[in-house]
Amino acid sequence: GAVVSQHPSRVICKSGTSVKIECRSLDFQATTMFWYRQFPKKSLMLMATSNEGSKATYEQGVEKDKFLINHASLTLSTLTVTSAHPEDSSFYICSAQTGLGYTFGSGTRLTVV
Amino acid sequence: DAKTTQPPSMDCAERRAANLPCNHSTISGNEYVYWYRQIHSQGPQYIIHGLKNNETNEMASLIITEDRKSSTLILPHATLRDTAVYYCIVTWAGQTGANNLFFGTGTRLTVIP
Repeated sequence: GAVVSQHPSRVICKSGTSVKIECRSLDFQATTMFWYRQFPKKSLMLMATSNEGSKATYEQGVEKDKFLINHASLTLSTLTVTSAHPEDSSFYICSAQTGLGYTFGSGTRLTVV
Repeated sequence: DAKTTQPPSMDCAERRAANLPCNHSTISGNEYVYWYRQIHSQGPQYIIHGLKNNETNEMASLIITEDRKSSTLILPHATLRDTAVYYCIVTWAGQTGANNLFFGTGTRLTVIP
């Protein structure tokens, strides 16, 4: 079946630095990918829709300059958390639409210290 | 906003059937019912989906009422590895864009030895 590979699975970074998270579709092409964040014991919240070859669409309240999304190929979307702060610590998850609905990556746990 | 209502938590004895209910009284005619689950610190995993008819696969069965206002996910023989948060989601299958894929709070299923 369709697999979405997300890397890294966990990362710790210092305040003020930037972190890049990669999301790859394996064995299928994804013109659209989606980025979510999830706080402890809370549900997933959609952050943005990543579109291959064009600008991402951000949900209300999500800072596009803070969370940079690049979708340069049909199999790769990246989310860069710029100038990270402790409040950006969260679980970030990507997904892509497939024949069965949506396939999700395994998530990235970001801790900003 | 989530279009579904689920109980916040349920317990189930190991090797017994787990029946997880979901209310979706405002579902429209072309919307599907999807079920995902999320094991702690992992990305959501697709389980099953349906439109009108009951569905069964190797993981679970989905029973949808005739008026489609509610459904039940059945795990026939729950194991400890089925402990997870189960999300019932109503969405249009095949439509690009995830702004209609809303994760509610889900049901936290605990399988008890």
